[in-house]
Amino acid sequence: NAGVTQTPKFQVLKTGQSMTLQCAQDMNHEYMSWYRQDPGMGLRLIHYSVGAGITDQGEVPNGYNVSRSTTEDFPLRLLSAAPSQTSVYFCASSTGQKNSPLHFGNGTRLTVT
Amino acid sequence: DAKTTQPNSMESNEEEPVHLPCNHSTISGTDYIHWYRQLPSQGPEYVIHGLTSNVNNRMASLAIAEDRKSSTLILHRATLRDAAVYYCILSVDTGNQFYFGTGTSLTVIP
Repeated sequence: NAGVTQTPKFQVLKTGQSMTLQCAQDMNHEYMSWYRQDPGMGLRLIHYSVGAGITDQGEVPNGYNVSRSTTEDFPLRLLSAAPSQTSVYFCASSTGQKNSPLHFGNGTRLTVT
Repeated sequence: DAKTTQPNSMESNEEEPVHLPCNHSTISGTDYIHWYRQLPSQGPEYVIHGLTSNVNNRMASLAIAEDRKSSTLILHRATLRDAAVYYCILSVDTGNQFYFGTGTSLTVIP
């Protein structure tokens, strides 16, 4: 049981390039979400999804797109990377119930130069 | 977003109990209190959660105030491996939005 898998682990982009951060879970969780964590700070919610075909914005959605075509996958797209998007990105999933814990991936460290 | 307030940092001696406080004065009746911890260079991991009653599991205990406006995570015997950032968060609305603050950075002194 792999849990939540994020790829890649590390990525360097130039300003203006695009890329997709992948997130997959094998726990049949309805809820998935993306967070970013900047140095010395907590996690900030970017986007989340309560099921296939449904997505919504979190605290800091600008510059990021998401889609949820399957229950298992929730990719995060950066259409035109900016240095301000340099961060560590975490994907998380849960059943979506309030008493259900979040399961996190190991993160993707992104640097935009 | 549902707010919690935690001290920025705490220290504990190894093998002593640690009490990590959290204030959540705006909590509503159906919000669950969750605790997570984040070890260096890792994603957060679930520690414990509760609604009204105190909770125990193999990792820690959660003590919830009677008015639910505060809670305390208790590590019964701190080890060096417990050095991490601990986040107290509320599960609100439909349970789909977890907002993390900056947490408490716990240092364990050998």
